[in-house]
Order: sequence, then C-alpha cells, then structure tokens
Amino acid sequence: GAGVSQSPRYKVTKRGQDVALRCDPISGHVSLYWYRQALGQGPEFLTYFNYEAQQDKSGLPNDRFSAERPEGSISTLTIQRTEQRDSAMYRCASSPQSGFEQYFGPGTRLTVT
Amino acid sequence: AQSVAQPEDQVNVAEGNPLTVKCTYSVSGNPYLFWYVQYPNRGLQFLLKYITGDNLVKGSYGFEAEFNKSQTSFHLKKPSALVSDSALYFCAVRERMDSNYQLIWGAGTKLIIKP
Repeated sequence: GAGVSQSPRYKVTKRGQDVALRCDPISGHVSLYWYRQALGQGPEFLTYFNYEAQQDKSGLPNDRFSAERPEGSISTLTIQRTEQRDSAMYRCASSPQSGFEQYFGPGTRLTVT
Repeated sequence: AQSVAQPEDQVNVAEGNPLTVKCTYSVSGNPYLFWYVQYPNRGLQFLLKYITGDNLVKGSYGFEAEFNKSQTSFHLKKPSALVSDSALYFCAVRERMDSNYQLIWGAGTKLIIKP
C-alpha cells in the first residue's frame, strides 16, 4: 500500500517568507508526528497528533512554527517568517497507534536563503 | 529521565561476518524499543520492535535484536553482513506507561560493511 508522502520534496525560500509543508499519512493511521533531522543525526521531535488533536507541541522551536491536522488525516507544518536557521530536513511519520512503530515519509528539504 | 545511548559512532564489519550495533537505554519502567535504518539520501525505515514477550525479536532484512532487561540493552544483530546493510542505524525507546508518546532517539551508528 501507499506509504507516507510529503510535499514538496524540496523547497527553497527567501528569508522572511512563510512556508507550508504537507504530510499525507498512511490511510487509517491514528498518530502523526513531525520531526526535524540534521544530516547524520537522529530525528528531533517537533509535534504530534492523535486524530485531529495536537497532543504535544513541546518540540516546536518557537511561535513561528505551527501545525494542524484538521480532519485527522493530512497535516500541514507552517513556518512563518522563515530564517536561515530553519533550513533542515523536515520529516513526517505516522503510526497506527500512539507510541508504536512509526512509518516515515521521504522528507521535505527546506533551504532558506 | 528517559535516554538512549548508542556508544559507537561507527561500526566496521567485513561482508559475511556477523554484525552487532549496540544500544542501551534508561527508562523508569518497562520499555518499548525500536530500531530504524536510514540508507543514504533516504528516509527512516522501521526495522523491528520489542513490546513484550520473547526477548529475541526478528525484523526486516534478516536483522534481529535481543532485549536484555538486566543490562538494559537492545543490541541489533545480523549473522552475516551484506554490503547493502551499510547505513545509519537508530535505536529508540519509550517508557510503556508514559502517556507522552514521544520516542527518545539515539544519536545513530553508522554501519559500514566492507566487501
């Protein structure tokens, strides 16, 4: 079956612009997670949802970052007024049940110039 | 506090030899443990998990891991390494009764299999 998909795969934006990153989880998966990953390092937790409810947003770096999952399926991570330090690989994962194995998407490589 | 340690930044193994990638953890109660693999320029892939039951867990691509409660370890193993196993491997843990469903991730171990 189809895995987790993310779009766009690559995004180059100018400093100060807003960006929206999309995640389409595996159908029927309850939980959805957002991570940021630096090259050669483990995933850094940003936020997660159960269905449409945002359960934990403690990993969001500051209030320029927000996420939503309004219908309990597709999720959008929005970064407002982007800064160069926001450049990273942003990964989404979904899980059939909270706290169990997560299935990752290919990621969105964000570059802020 | 929960934590995961992968003590080796890199492991080098000759093709055909057995491989072990080490992981130790610290949680206040019983753990759920996971291994993930990341091939170059690819996303993270789930390999295997320990939830409960048999301490020896078998996963994808011929990998297995052994849960050792007394040593708080969950080492990843494979009897005969392939060059194609070369990748970055991550161990992750969460405490079973923790209502915070975040996984705690290790820093990763780079596995290099030489022909």
